[in-house]
Amino acid sequence: DTGVSQNPRHKITKRGQNVTFRCDPISEHNRLYWYRQTLGQGPEFLTYFQNEAQLEKSRLLSDRFSAERPKGSFSTLEIQRTEQGDSAMYLCASSLPGGLAGHTDTQYFGPGTRLTVL
Amino acid sequence: DAKTTQPNSMESNEEEPVHLPCNHSTISGTDYIHWYRQLPSQGPEYVIHGLTSNVNNRMASLAIAEDRKSSTLILHRATLRDAAVYYCILRPLGDDMRFGAGTRLTVKP
Repeated sequence: DTGVSQNPRHKITKRGQNVTFRCDPISEHNRLYWYRQTLGQGPEFLTYFQNEAQLEKSRLLSDRFSAERPKGSFSTLEIQRTEQGDSAMYLCASSLPGGLAGHTDTQYFGPGTRLTVL
Repeated sequence: DAKTTQPNSMESNEEEPVHLPCNHSTISGTDYIHWYRQLPSQGPEYVIHGLTSNVNNRMASLAIAEDRKSSTLILHRATLRDAAVYYCILRPLGDDMRFGAGTRLTVKP
């Protein structure tokens, strides 16, 4: 098991361009989460999938953001018409649903994609 | 959303125990208490979680107050590799996680 992987690790783009990030979760994990983290702050929840279904979206996820998980495996996060305020680390995490005895799922995070919008 | 309050930063000496506090006075009966940590230039990693009883694992211990309005993450012997930002998170069963700013732990040799 190689853990959660994210590509690219770094992305520099000009304002107004579109960018797409990819996340490959741990195999057999059917939940996948996206977070955004700005400097000095904790991660902010953006959205999550259970298999291919997108079950929740934060109000932080503006119309310019879209996430997909077409076959319930890898996921992509696209940002259209990037703005300087989109500069952040974008983190992906995966998990198995909470199991028996009421335990909640443990999320395993990838290393993140650092986006810089010039 | 239930909120947590943590000190911005703490310092510890290497090989000494560290007690990281977290206040969560508005916790509800079904909120789990999770701790994650984030080492420099890495994504967060799970440390421990609990509901009512104290919990131990190979990384740390979690002490939960009887009224559940506060908890303490205990690292029994801090090492330089434990230097990280530690996040205390309240999480309803099955719900997503809301991170705060966390506590930045510095470990001095």
